[in-house]
Formats: sequence, structure tokens, C-alpha cells
Amino acid sequence: QQPVQSPQAVILREGEDAVINCSSSKALYSVHWYRQKHGEAPVFLMILLKGGEQKGHDKISASFNEKKQQSSLYLTASQLSYSGTYFCGTEKNGNQFYFGTGTSLTVIP
Amino acid sequence: KAGVTQTPRYLIKTRGQQVTLSCSPISGHRSVSWYQQTPGQGLQFLFEYFSETQRNKGNFPGRFSGRQFSNSRSEMNVSTLELGDSALYLCASSLSQGEYEQYFGPGTRLTVT
Repeated sequence: QQPVQSPQAVILREGEDAVINCSSSKALYSVHWYRQKHGEAPVFLMILLKGGEQKGHDKISASFNEKKQQSSLYLTASQLSYSGTYFCGTEKNGNQFYFGTGTSLTVIP
Repeated sequence: KAGVTQTPRYLIKTRGQQVTLSCSPISGHRSVSWYQQTPGQGLQFLFEYFSETQRNKGNFPGRFSGRQFSNSRSEMNVSTLELGDSALYLCASSLSQGEYEQYFGPGTRLTVT
């Protein structure tokens, strides 16, 4: 039931773009995105709800395809500060919350 | 506004002992969730409390329990510790249940020897 993320890891140069995908085998109620830097707690980035409503970061965008049970996070013009592990999180009708497998993103100068 | 606080930050216990971890949510937040993070299993949901009631529970044995107080502070207890319980335990608070973003505390690093 844990959402699967792809890619598992990606290395970018500053200024490049990246897309991180999150797929679930279960119907989704909402999708959350978090970033965790090494040795720190996860930090909220964005939440996407059924019906298209989004709440979150103004420099990061995301999409949520309810029919395909997928979400994608779009990082444009990446900065060194974007480095970290990205997790999607999903819930189904208020039931327990599942975090994805994680994507390690490294931005190099 | 103060963030989520967790105490203690680090803990070393031996097998068979029990441990209690504490979490104070952001002021005004009524929902508290607990997660276990390990390199092998990633972030796994333990349970969620809202208005002093456990609303959801993950797939963990009964040795893991928790509670929430009237001021929304929460505690998590693990009894009869096993080596595999070594992990970072994260607490997250949110305004309410449902589609609200979660704010994480710094975590408690538990080592079981």
C-alpha cells in the first residue's frame, strides 16, 4: 500500500529541471509532498486535493491525476537548497497516512 | 509561533525495557500523528490522535501505544523494546484531521542495545 516513487535518485546541476513521480495502487483522497534534508525533519511542500485544489509552495508545482492515482512534483530551475529526499504522502478517505518510498535529489553547482 | 517539540531528542535503551516519548504540537493544532523512520522501511505511520482519541492506527504491534491529552500534547509508549525498534520517531501536528499539512518535530532518535 506504500506509494511508489520514481526515480529513486536523481542528480541535477543548478538551473536544471526535475520531475518526481508518485504512484499508488489505491484510490487517493489527497496527495502531500514533503522534503527532508539529511538529519532534519520532513518539511511540508504542497498538498493536492481531489477537484484540483492545491496549497503550498509558490516555487514548486505539482499535478494530481485522480484516475491514474498518480501525482508528479515539478522542480524548475533547481537550486542547491533543493537537495534532499522528497516524499509523497497519501491518504484514503481519512484513513491512515502512507509515505512513498522517497526520491533522493542532489543538486550540484 | 513555536514549532513542534519532541523530548527527549536522543535515547538509548536496552532490550526488554520500555520507553515513553513526548510531543508538543504547534499551538492550536489538534491532530498529532506519530511515524517511525528507518533506513530500510522509510517513513511508516504509527497512529494519529485527534481530540484525545486515536483515529487511525498503522500496522505495528500492540507494544506501540499512545495517548493524547486535553492540551493536545501526545505521548508514545513502546514496551518490551526490541533491537528492531531502533529508529527515528517523528511526531507531526496539523490543525485538524483530513487534508491539512503536517508540521514535523525534530524527532527522537531511539537506540535499542
